[in-house]
Amino acid sequence: GESVGLHLPTLSVQEGDNSIINCAYSNSASDYFIWYKQESGKGPQFIIDIRSNMDKRQGQRVTVLLNKTVKHLSLQIAATQPGDSAVYFCAENQGSARQLTFGSGTQLTVLP
Amino acid sequence: DAGITQSPRHKVTETGTPVTLRCHQTENHRYMYWYRQDPGHGLRLIHYSYGVKDTDKGEVSDGYSVSRSKTEDFLLTLESATSSQTSVYFCAISETTGEQFFGPGTRLTVL
Repeated sequence: GESVGLHLPTLSVQEGDNSIINCAYSNSASDYFIWYKQESGKGPQFIIDIRSNMDKRQGQRVTVLLNKTVKHLSLQIAATQPGDSAVYFCAENQGSARQLTFGSGTQLTVLP
Repeated sequence: DAGITQSPRHKVTETGTPVTLRCHQTENHRYMYWYRQDPGHGLRLIHYSYGVKDTDKGEVSDGYSVSRSKTEDFLLTLESATSSQTSVYFCAISETTGEQFFGPGTRLTVL
């Protein structure tokens, strides 16, 4: 079946560097995408979202890029900080009840 | 956690016993969801609700039932718990914008 997936399960970056987390999706009908951050022992926390009629959206230190041609989504974190260490999930919307399908997650580790 | 509480936060039970997890919201959001999260997996949808007494199955609904008698409460029941249902369970809520807000989770261990 169609699913959302991630290219890399782990990512380590130096503090202060930029991070890029990638996500591939296969459902061309998906019209809404979200990135979540999950710290150990906590529930997922909304970071940023993007609709399919957009290519780019920026938040505070984060940018999401959507390439519908190759069905690719990425999350860019600028000046990565120790507090950014977490698992990051992408999710796509499918269905009328705003159901989300989640990827398996990428563990981001920020090195001192 | 956007006005979402889950109870209990931790539970240990034995195989074959019934278990009910509760999700309570104070946001008056229409949609409520139950997910499970297992090591190496993302979140998988169990059941969801799109209104009072309106529920539907998700990806991994076998062995689970739900009820929503009030807007603010969404209950997840394991009629006869099995070891394969050991997991962390998350409740989420949303309105029509699409983003879902998650509760703190319930860690369930079935021995």
